[in-house]
Amino acid sequence: KAGVTQTPRYLIKTRGQQVTLSCSPISGHRSVSWYQQTPGQGLQFLFEYFSETQRNKGNFPGRFSGRQFSNSRSEMNVSTLELGDSALYLCASSLVGTDRGDTQYFGPGTRLTVL
Amino acid sequence: KNEVEQSPQNLTAQEGEFITINCSYSVGISALHWLQQHPGGGIVSLFMLSSGKKKHGRLIATINIQEKHSSLHITASHPRDSAVYICAVFRTDKLIFGTGTRLQVFP
Repeated sequence: KAGVTQTPRYLIKTRGQQVTLSCSPISGHRSVSWYQQTPGQGLQFLFEYFSETQRNKGNFPGRFSGRQFSNSRSEMNVSTLELGDSALYLCASSLVGTDRGDTQYFGPGTRLTVL
Repeated sequence: KNEVEQSPQNLTAQEGEFITINCSYSVGISALHWLQQHPGGGIVSLFMLSSGKKKHGRLIATINIQEKHSSLHITASHPRDSAVYICAVFRTDKLIFGTGTRLQVFP
């Protein structure tokens, strides 16, 4: 089975712009979670989608949003980028979701740099 | 105080040594995960625990729910085990991560 894929792998944007990141889960997985990793804050949970519905959400401002499509692919959008949004954005997929203690499979991440 | 604390933050070892990484948490949880992150960013899920002990190859993970503590052990460590090990707990509606333990194993 193919693993979790994320596109693009690297991205450079300027302050004020918006960005959309994409995640394709492992075939058959219905849950997709998004995480932000920075040197200062470490790994933080953004949100989780299951069957096209946002099921869980971390403590991030409304500039961070996401969606999931009927084929379980997910996108994450960040509007009005700030310098502090520079980070590695990781997505992970699982069969039924993190709240069921399910094993997650991580993608390689998208490294976003905001100038 | 972080809800999930790991110790030590950094660890160096000689090849063949027995390694222990600790994770303590202060909240009620439904599951605890151990993750491995290699240089370059890729993360691999090693274990998911809700009770007891699990073993996979040279890796052993234990959890004590009453004491809110988990340990990850690596037997016969090898340079390829060099990575950051992260513990994460699932609470209510989200995963909360520890700050990680950076392990370097020298030949």
